[in-house]
Amino acid sequence: QVQLQQWGAGLLKPSETLSLTCAVYGGSFSGYYWTWIRQPPGKGLQWIGEVIQTGKATYNASLRSRVNMLVDTSRNQFSLKLDSVTAADTALYYCARGYWMVGPRDRPQYFFDSWGQGTLVTVSS
Amino acid sequence: SSELTQDPAVSVALGQTVRITCQGDHLRTYYASWYQQKPGQAPLLVSHGKNNRPSGIPDRFSGSSSGNTASLTITGAQAEDEADYYCHSRDSSGHHVVFGGGTKLTVL
Repeated sequence: QVQLQQWGAGLLKPSETLSLTCAVYGGSFSGYYWTWIRQPPGKGLQWIGEVIQTGKATYNASLRSRVNMLVDTSRNQFSLKLDSVTAADTALYYCARGYWMVGPRDRPQYFFDSWGQGTLVTVSS
Repeated sequence: SSELTQDPAVSVALGQTVRITCQGDHLRTYYASWYQQKPGQAPLLVSHGKNNRPSGIPDRFSGSSSGNTASLTITGAQAEDEADYYCHSRDSSGHHVVFGGGTKLTVL
């Protein structure tokens, strides 16, 4: 049973860099899309981006200029950095494991089957 | 704005059946997945693909899909099913992820 455990600073000042790390326990690191998702207080889920084992990352266009995701395969960890944070970046941040299933003659499916516990990041002066 | 559209709120009487829907053109290309989120908890995958339930998810949860609409049906809703439900898919390019805005389910 895979488990994701995340950590990072919870209180930042405007213009600082958000930094979170997620460790993967009990499962393979390859073959999955390692993802960061956030949820502003009282609002819905927003995909930040994903990174795969090779280090190739894809980001939400609205955050692309400020985001960097890395993998450390030796430790089965992946990380998120978000530069120049503002109050609008205040949210619960989750790491998650994404998985593709593609069957013959059927639509592909993609889903997040494991989530971290979440880290509340507050940006305030 | 979300590229997957969900009703903001739905209610159901205890023990009755409720369907939560999600609409979007991306769903013609990819199946949706569904997540249940209770206050203070991380989202939990409850259905994915044509009608797949992860281990431990009660069989009263079922997923379906037709055209550009995905549905999550709860047959015999229980008090513990009261939660926010989010649908999710890849976008039409397959390169990005989209979420619905979420549906708050109230069990009366």
